[in-house]
Amino acid sequence: DSGVTQTPKHLITATGQRVTLRCSPRSGDLSVYWYQQSLDQGLQFLIQYYNGEERAKGNILERFSAQQFPDLHSELNLSSLELGDSALYFCASSVGGTGGETQYFGPGTRLLVL
Amino acid sequence: GENVEQHPSTLSVQEGDSAVIKCTYSDSASNYFPWYKQELGKRPQLIIDIRSNVGEKKDQRIAVTLNKTAKHFSLHITETQPEDSAVYFCAARGWATSYDKVIFGPGTSLSVIP
Repeated sequence: DSGVTQTPKHLITATGQRVTLRCSPRSGDLSVYWYQQSLDQGLQFLIQYYNGEERAKGNILERFSAQQFPDLHSELNLSSLELGDSALYFCASSVGGTGGETQYFGPGTRLLVL
Repeated sequence: GENVEQHPSTLSVQEGDSAVIKCTYSDSASNYFPWYKQELGKRPQLIIDIRSNVGEKKDQRIAVTLNKTAKHFSLHITETQPEDSAVYFCAARGWATSYDKVIFGPGTSLSVIP
């Protein structure tokens, strides 16, 4: 158990809908990262937040947005969902926000868009 | 931009043999190189990491070597066991125009045949 929690574990929805994925980082970690992993694919970095502020953006679609709240939990919002958005979504956390730190991954949310 | 290449994409070995996965990176300033293991349906977990002030690091059956001149690093698993079967991701610290991040390789699917 990494100490990072994600809810829900599974999500099934229809095209065009909107969903929200939630992540709570390890106690004391200030950074949260979101990744998308499609079937048999690698980890596609979406976005990073550090202490409530957006720090870095990766390959995140305009239909997707995220935020980090004062209690440091983060939410990833996916809207106008398409079939291709079906994937495993991981969040990870680290103490600070640099690339020289270990990232601890949550168990993931498996999203299925029908 | 920064890039991490990883080879091979798939690897099958007999139980007890060694496995080697190689990665190359493009940012000569990279100084942190973690390796993550992801078992089927589970979260990526850090298994070993190395910083640029050392050339090799070992942890039981796992070792990582780093060649900064050639900008490549490798994961070595000796006496492989079926439970080593997983996808392995290498990563390297890199700097974009405005932020410091970890860049993941595309992954290597390792199968250990009993």
